[in-house]
Amino acid sequence: DQQVKQNSPSLSVQEGRISILNCDYTNSMFDYFLWYKKYPAEGPTFLISISSIKDKNEDGRFTVFLNKSAKHLSLHIVPSQPGDSAVYFCAASAIYSNTGKLIFGQGTTLQVKP
Amino acid sequence: SQTIHQWPATLVQPVGSPLSLECTVEGTSNPNLYWYRQAAGRGLQLLFYSVGIGQISSEVPQNLSASRPQDRQFILSSKKLLLSDSGFYLCAWSIVRGAGIYGYTFGSGTRLTVV
Repeated sequence: DQQVKQNSPSLSVQEGRISILNCDYTNSMFDYFLWYKKYPAEGPTFLISISSIKDKNEDGRFTVFLNKSAKHLSLHIVPSQPGDSAVYFCAASAIYSNTGKLIFGQGTTLQVKP
Repeated sequence: SQTIHQWPATLVQPVGSPLSLECTVEGTSNPNLYWYRQAAGRGLQLLFYSVGIGQISSEVPQNLSASRPQDRQFILSSKKLLLSDSGFYLCAWSIVRGAGIYGYTFGSGTRLTVV
């Protein structure tokens, strides 16, 4: 049972344009969401997070939007840069459990072309 | 500041051999600790998590086990490796406080190849 889904395995955009990565979840108990960036043979690095009490969180070029009714979140990168090329994972957690365990999507490979 | 150390970086082991991967965290107390695995071409799967010394929860049935002998030490083990245990293993830590998860930093990972 895939509770967090990233249905697009890959995305290619031109440098300077917007990258939009999507993520859907099925468990209504999830109330905290994170995005990670990962390069091959390295651990994921945290990008941005959002609590279910918000519908938007912004940090520099990265913005995460949360639509609770649709159980959908998206990561916007504007403007996209070649250094953004990596695998992006969304992850979800239920804060109330106090375990902090994250359930990850399958990842989306972003390629930003110069 | 908090740091997480994971070793070794790469490991090639024959089928049937034992395994021990170690992870330590510095700069924080009583963190939640996690082991994840990324199989080839797939996402990150949570294997084990621990909310305290000696407290281990398993997420998926498998050939592996985990232990937490000290507050900031987390060990992933196997008595006999299978080919299907090959993958990229990641350790992570977090602190859950209030309405947020803090830290959730990953180690640099161990590439395990079972031959």
